[in-house]
Amino acid sequence: EVQLVESGEGLVQPGGSLRLSCAASGFTFSSYSMHWVRQAPGKGLEYVSGISSNGGSTYYADSVKGRFTISRDNSKNTLYLQMGSLRAEDMAVYYCARGRGYCSGGSCYYYFDYWGQGTLVTVSS
Amino acid sequence: EIVLTQSPGTLSLSPGERATLSCRASQSVSSSYLAWYQQKPGQAPRLLISGASSRATGIPDRFSGSGSGTAFTLTISRLEPEDFAVYYCQQYGSSPVYTFGQGTKLEIK
Repeated sequence: EVQLVESGEGLVQPGGSLRLSCAASGFTFSSYSMHWVRQAPGKGLEYVSGISSNGGSTYYADSVKGRFTISRDNSKNTLYLQMGSLRAEDMAVYYCARGRGYCSGGSCYYYFDYWGQGTLVTVSS
Repeated sequence: EIVLTQSPGTLSLSPGERATLSCRASQSVSSSYLAWYQQKPGQAPRLLISGASSRATGIPDRFSGSGSGTAFTLTISRLEPEDFAVYYCQQYGSSPVYTFGQGTKLEIK
């Protein structure tokens, strides 16, 4: 059974940092791209970041580029999101998700077939 | 960036009725790279449809997807009580920024 379990929930002051983790099990982690999607309270889904199966390629939404860093440790079956310079608008539930699809000619086409339960990031002074 | 607009914002129907949800894109979605997700309160999204019309594993056949280009539809042929939720479309043809629609809330009438 595929399982994705996020951790790292916390309350952070504006300008602060936080690292989220996502522990994966039930599938060959190193064979799949992985992604972060967030959902602000009462709002819709927003794509945040993604990383290829071997970690060689990363993707970021413009809203987090330069502030967030995605990484993975395939030996530990774990995905990370290092968040810095946090803003009030970053407050959300952060989901990790497994990517399905493929890459061709430098472009990648992923949808998300399994999701974790989410972890809440609160940004407030 | 491709913007997805879902309509209606809220759909009020009764169990047993047919639901038709729309997702329109601001520009053509290449190769019908359009997915649909269901989200219930307090839960993570669940994949229903990928490639505009392919049901995910374990999804009942009352759920169907159709469309191409800029217009896509999710149809639930006969609503069950567990189908009342929020539904999101997502395009993945515009790499690497994958965008979601704002959601359609399907509520019990």
